[in-house]
Amino acid sequence: GENVEQHPSTLSVQEGDSAVIKCTYSDSASNYFPWYKQELGKRPQLIIDIRSNVGEKKDQRIAVTLNKTAKHFSLHITETQPEDSAVYFCAATPTAAGNKLTFGGGTRVLVKP
Amino acid sequence: KAGVTQTPRYLIKTRGQQVTLSCSPISGHRSVSWYQQTPGQGLQFLFEYFSETQRNKGNFPGRFSGRQFSNSRSEMNVSTLELGDSALYLCASSPYGGDEKLFFGSGTQLSVL
Repeated sequence: GENVEQHPSTLSVQEGDSAVIKCTYSDSASNYFPWYKQELGKRPQLIIDIRSNVGEKKDQRIAVTLNKTAKHFSLHITETQPEDSAVYFCAATPTAAGNKLTFGGGTRVLVKP
Repeated sequence: KAGVTQTPRYLIKTRGQQVTLSCSPISGHRSVSWYQQTPGQGLQFLFEYFSETQRNKGNFPGRFSGRQFSNSRSEMNVSTLELGDSALYLCASSPYGGDEKLFFGSGTQLSVL
């Protein structure tokens, strides 16, 4: 089955700096890669996703890149703000399988004012 | 629209007992999936139901089971509880599953003593 590894497990940045989280996956059939943000005590929420037919996607301060050949994808947050502090999860799934997300272990991001 | 509703919010059980958790998806959503969240293992996929049929299953023992009703509401059951089953159980819904945004509930926090 699919295996997703996520690095780093914790990330501390100064407000205004950039944050980068990297994930690798093992199943070449995976073609959908979402990122979820989970604030303390809250439910996970989708912040951005990318499908295998594109290499990069941006949404304001957030961007995701995908390298299918190397089987890795990354989340980039620019101009970080204190409200970006949360745990971020990457995930992967082959969409033909319906919903069967395999999540990475999570990255705890702390943005210091 | 009302969000995904999970009941109960908290549950305390003893080893050997069984437990049933409930999830009401967003109206119109036909895919309901369940995830187990623990500090050590992160978010792990349990199973997905679509139109009352189990479409996908994760790598959990047979003690974990679920079902979906005609109104898309879903229940999951854990029999013969073990200490290691203590976790936050999250339910998520989406219209069809696959490469779609998942809407998570607040979860049921299960403690096994």
